[in-house]
Amino acid sequence: DVVLTQTPPTLSATIGQSVSISCRSSQSLLHSNGNTYLHWLLQRPGQSPQLLIYSVSRLESGVPNRFSGSGSGTDFTLKISGVEAEDLGVYYCVQGTHAPRTFGGGTKLELK
Amino acid sequence: QVQLKESGPGLVQPSQTLSLTCTVSGFSLTSYNVHWVRQPPGKGLEWMGVIWSGGNTDYNSALKPRLSISRDTSKSQVFLTMNSLQTEDTGIYYCNRRADWGQGVMVTVSS
Repeated sequence: DVVLTQTPPTLSATIGQSVSISCRSSQSLLHSNGNTYLHWLLQRPGQSPQLLIYSVSRLESGVPNRFSGSGSGTDFTLKISGVEAEDLGVYYCVQGTHAPRTFGGGTKLELK
Repeated sequence: QVQLKESGPGLVQPSQTLSLTCTVSGFSLTSYNVHWVRQPPGKGLEWMGVIWSGGNTDYNSALKPRLSISRDTSKSQVFLTMNSLQTEDTGIYYCNRRADWGQGVMVTVSS
C-alpha cells in the first residue's frame, strides 16, 4: 500500500500567518492516465472531513483561495496564505492513484 | 443537493456483526462511486472500501476477510457489513462520494 507521510504532525500558527503542510508518498502518484490523484481534506473539530483541494492543485468549489496545493510525483504541499480562525483542525492528504486509497496521518493546525 | 446519511446501531457486542446503511440523495449510485471511511476515537482516517458505480467493490486488504459492501440502487442505499467485531473497530463510520461526506455514525464495540 502507498504510505503518505505528513509533516509536521502539529502546526501552531497565529491568525494571518502563512503555513505549509507537506505530504510525501512512498511511490509516485502519477497515474498512467496522466492525472495525479492527491487530494487535501480538512476536518474541523467534531465535523466530517471537507474536501479542499483535489488533483494536487484544483480548488474545490466554495473553498477560499487562501488555500493552494502544489507538487508532483511523490512530494506535495498544501499552503494556507493567511490563516483564519475557521481553518483550525486536522488536515489530511489522501491518494486515489493506487489501490487501496490511503490517507496521511494528519496535521493538526492550532492557534499559537 | 447531494446528501449522504449513515445509520446503524450505536452499540455492537464483540464478535458480532455490524450493519450500516448509507442513504444518499441528489445523485444516482449507478453514476458515482461511494466509499466507506472510518475513524477511531482521536485518530486518523482509514479507508475501508468502495462500491463503484458499476457495482464492483474493492476493500482495504486488512479488512477484506470481514467486510462486505453492497447496494440497493432502487432505494439509493449502500450497505456495509463487517463481522467479528472487536473493540478496535470502535469509531465513527462515514460514507463519502467525492467531496460529499455523511455526518458519520458512531459505533462502539463493547459488551
